[in-house]
Amino acid sequence: EVHLQESGPSLVKPSQTLSLTCSVTGDSITSGYWNWIRKFPGNKLEYMGYISYSGSTYYNPSLKSRISITRDTSKNQYYLQLNSVTTEDTATYYCVRSLHGRGFAYWGQGTLVTVSA
Amino acid sequence: DIQMTQSSSSFSVSLGDRVTITCKASEDIYNRLAWYQQKPGNAPRLLISGATSLETGVPSRFSGSGSGKDYTLSITSLQTEDVGTYYCQQYWSNPWTFGGGTKLEIK
Repeated sequence: EVHLQESGPSLVKPSQTLSLTCSVTGDSITSGYWNWIRKFPGNKLEYMGYISYSGSTYYNPSLKSRISITRDTSKNQYYLQLNSVTTEDTATYYCVRSLHGRGFAYWGQGTLVTVSA
Repeated sequence: DIQMTQSSSSFSVSLGDRVTITCKASEDIYNRLAWYQQKPGNAPRLLISGATSLETGVPSRFSGSGSGKDYTLSITSLQTEDVGTYYCQQYWSNPWTFGGGTKLEIK
């Protein structure tokens, strides 16, 4: 069974960089698509981007040049970096495995990141 | 970006009721539509993909329908464990986008 687990700081100061790790078991990140999605207070869900089996990436244009998704295949982990955060980036962040033609099938439990001084 | 609109943000229903949740896309999404259920404290769970295909393990009282821009999630005979928030999501065009959610509560 595929299992994803987010980890990282729960509190980040404004203007700093938010960094999260997604550890994957039960599947290899060298197959398929590996995504980040966030849920804001008030329940809005936003798709952030993915890293593919080949290492190619796609980012939501709304995040412009602030986002980077990378991976370490030897650890079967992938990562999210979001630069220059503001309080508007306070959200629960999920790492998610999508399946072609089926949407977001496997989700991590999510990690709440608060941006505050 | 394709906008996904769920007409109701919340409503109260009785156990055993039939529930219908609607989702409208700002353009044709060619049945590339998924439905998710989220319970408090949990991650969203994929219920339906391709507008109508039930995921493994999802009770048969859930069903999806629709085409073009308009889609529906139905729950026949609502159970206590169905309480939560339901989201639609399109995967026709990047960036993939979600509806605002519909929260179901028991009367």
